Parts: sequence; C-alpha cells; structure tokens
Amino acid sequence: DAKTTQPPSMDCAEGRAANLPCNHSTISGNEYVYWYRQIHSQGPQYIIHGLKNNETNEMASLIITEDRKSSTLILPHATLRDTAVYYCIVNEGQGAQKLVFGQGTRLTINP
Amino acid sequence: SAVISQKPSRDICQRGTSLTIQCQVDSQVTMMFWYRQQPGQSLTLIATANQGSEATYESGFVIDKFPISRPNLTFSTLTVSNMSPEDSSIYLCSVEDLGQGYEQYFGPGTRLTVT
Repeated sequence: DAKTTQPPSMDCAEGRAANLPCNHSTISGNEYVYWYRQIHSQGPQYIIHGLKNNETNEMASLIITEDRKSSTLILPHATLRDTAVYYCIVNEGQGAQKLVFGQGTRLTINP
Repeated sequence: SAVISQKPSRDICQRGTSLTIQCQVDSQVTMMFWYRQQPGQSLTLIATANQGSEATYESGFVIDKFPISRPNLTFSTLTVSNMSPEDSSIYLCSVEDLGQGYEQYFGPGTRLTVT
C-alpha cells in the first residue's frame, strides 16, 4: 500500500501557483519524498525529490515540513500543459527501490 | 535522463494468445522495471528485471504469466501470456538513474486490449 495521502483532485488557474499537498505521516528517517506526474496517455515523469531540505529545480519546488510528515509540491506558474495526475511517493532513495503509486492528485489547470 | 522506447505502442489481441513487449534504452542501465496500469487505475509494479539473472516478481504476478527477459543492459522484454480481457492495460517499463537520486524514467507505455 502507498504510504502517502493526497487529495483526489485539484483545480488551478493558468499562470497561478499550483500547490499540491501530500501527507506521509509514517515516513521513516531514511525515506525520501519523490514526486512524479503522468500526463494523459504518457508514462510517468520524474519531477523532484527531497529528504528534509526544501528543493527546487527547473520544474518545481518541494517544501517538506520540519517533522517530515507532509510536503507540498509547488508549480510556480502553472500552464495548461501541467494538467496531469501527480503522485507523491516515499522511497528509501537507494538502488532497486520499487515505486508504490497511490491514486495521486488529478490537477486540472484552467485557462 | 535516459530515453526509453517501447514496442508496440498499442495492440489488440485475442484471448488465449501472447504478446511480447519490447523496451529499449539509449544507455546502459542496471535496473529495469515493468509496471501495469489497468484502466482508470494507478501503476502497479509487476517485476524488476535484472541483467544476467531471473526477474524478481511482485506479489500477485508470476513468471509463467509474465515472463521477462533481460539479455543486456539496454533491452528487456515482457510477455503477457495466455491473455484474457482482464489483461487489458497499459504496460510500462522504467529504468533507474543511479547518477543522482535513483529516480526512475518511464517509457511511453504499450496499450494492450484483449478481446
């Protein structure tokens, strides 16, 4: 079973920041938080991951709470192409770790 | 990141037949994974394909139904055997990037319909 809880769906206006929450209250000390997304009819795409510090890359920012029990993925300026299902996954971040996908959050960006 | 291709991209097959799906990567990778995504559902790991050894299957998946080959570090196949309509799914392969955070990169998937 997935170790994370996400809202099933969210809407966001184009050009605004999309903030996607994820609860992972049972995360252990050596587990990372990974985010993937799946655009319709495509394979999942890696977005970002982090352990305890906030992370930022060209796609998104990841904010992890100090107790590490929850996190937020931020898409700073959402576009229509960001419409997808977003998956939050906890994983030990070592080789050969299987990904356990939950149901994710279906994010719809509205014009 | 690795570039992954799958063949075929889609197929319609009759029950009782088998289909072999190919996964090709543009660089050598140690770990390859096969996932299934049933209609309207999330992804479920079928097995981990190791080069030079037998694949490791997840609970609920068996080698007789889903035989996997991994002849080298850039290629793998998944066969869906003796198909039934319940096997209608998208099948995806992924590879692991050891360079940074072990994130996985996915192929585009093979959409299988069994009639």
